[in-house]
Amino acid sequence: DAGVIQSPRHEVTEMGQEVTLRCKPISGHDYLFWYRQTMMRGLELLIYFNNNVPIDDSGMPEDRFSAKMPNASFSTLKIQPSEPRDSAVYFCASTLDLNTEAFFGQGTRLTVV
Amino acid sequence: AQRVTQPEKLLSVFKGAPVELKCNYSYSGSPELFWYVQYSRQRLQLLLRHISRESIKGFTADLNKGETSFHLKKPFAQEEDSAMYYCALAIYNQGGKLIFGQGTELSVKP
Repeated sequence: DAGVIQSPRHEVTEMGQEVTLRCKPISGHDYLFWYRQTMMRGLELLIYFNNNVPIDDSGMPEDRFSAKMPNASFSTLKIQPSEPRDSAVYFCASTLDLNTEAFFGQGTRLTVV
Repeated sequence: AQRVTQPEKLLSVFKGAPVELKCNYSYSGSPELFWYVQYSRQRLQLLLRHISRESIKGFTADLNKGETSFHLKKPFAQEEDSAMYYCALAIYNQGGKLIFGQGTELSVKP
């Protein structure tokens, strides 16, 4: 398995535009997490799924953020409209179970200008 | 509320010096704790977990339930240890989740 795959690796967009980040978890993993990493706040959990079902989205900052997992091999995080304060590195991670290692993607570095 | 606190944003030591990265947690249940490391330009990866009681790259961490701490220690720091270190807590109730502290940047100087 190639591990958790995120795309794109880098995204530069203008304020107000829609941004879609993509994640392919490791096959067979039941949990998928979306995190945002910033210098000020470190790693923040945005939302996570268990068996494709969103379990906790309390970390999603605003209604501008939405996430979906239409099937076990694909998830998206969408920001619409984007704002400069959304600039961060967004990580996706998957794990078989909560007490096993979480495998992270390489992240998407988002810059909103 | 469940929370992981890493009080130091940056820790700078000289090569060969002991290092301790602090982690405190807040959780009423039985905690499952981890340390993850992120080397420059690489993805986060698991360093160690408390239930395995192992030493990885010379690092150890002991769970102290009385002090609700899970500090990461190494007796002699090496330059290649320079990285971001994140303490993480797995929570099983209410569906479960994996939350991280804010991270500590370790800088080991020659």
